[in-house]
Amino acid sequence: EAQVTQNPRYLITVTGKKLTVTCSQNMNHEYMSWYRQDPGLGLRQIYYSMNVEVTDKGDVPEGYKVSRKEKRNFPLILESPSPNQTSLYFCATSTGTGGTEAFFGQGTRLTVV
Amino acid sequence: AQKVTQAQTEISVVEKEDVTLDCVYETRDTTYYLFWYKQPPSGELVFLIRRNSFDEQNEISGRYSWNFQKSTSSFNFTITASQVVDSAVYFCALSELTDSWGKLQFGAGTQVVVTP
Repeated sequence: EAQVTQNPRYLITVTGKKLTVTCSQNMNHEYMSWYRQDPGLGLRQIYYSMNVEVTDKGDVPEGYKVSRKEKRNFPLILESPSPNQTSLYFCATSTGTGGTEAFFGQGTRLTVV
Repeated sequence: AQKVTQAQTEISVVEKEDVTLDCVYETRDTTYYLFWYKQPPSGELVFLIRRNSFDEQNEISGRYSWNFQKSTSSFNFTITASQVVDSAVYFCALSELTDSWGKLQFGAGTQVVVTP
């Protein structure tokens, strides 16, 4: 079964405490990305990766890091989280070719206090 | 600037009424793709439909239908005879080569509330 697995689903943390949200896919997709969802703004792309060791900034990259050491994994790292990073985060994967459907993880609800 | 506009923040209907969700997009590319996703209260994103810029045929899938009009840059979505299970946030999204095919540019979403 095609799956995109994000962990954790829910996380409450304090300002400045480094955290990592993991994302793993079993579809052998080249393209992976992270989005954040905020009320009234829809989903906005944070970072993306077109293949192993190839990553680039999306529309809202400030305060985030990513890495792509293996094709299946694409973790999102918040080195020093701040309250304005409180949001719902989604990992997505696709083949990266025109018109292909993106598959999303179940989402991670992050609260930074 | 937002490339996909969903002007309706929330639509409330009574069960069995029809509801139409508007989506207006902006692109300079001649080849692009449009999508609709559903986000039920459980939070996951469910793919509904994909349409490429060369195919202006309307599509119907059960109670769902989509009207794509390049002349007005719109890709509207209609739910016929709505049901309580249709209550969700619906997102329209655009994919264009200029920004890389893999990137989806989402509208702000429309919350649909269907009451019995």
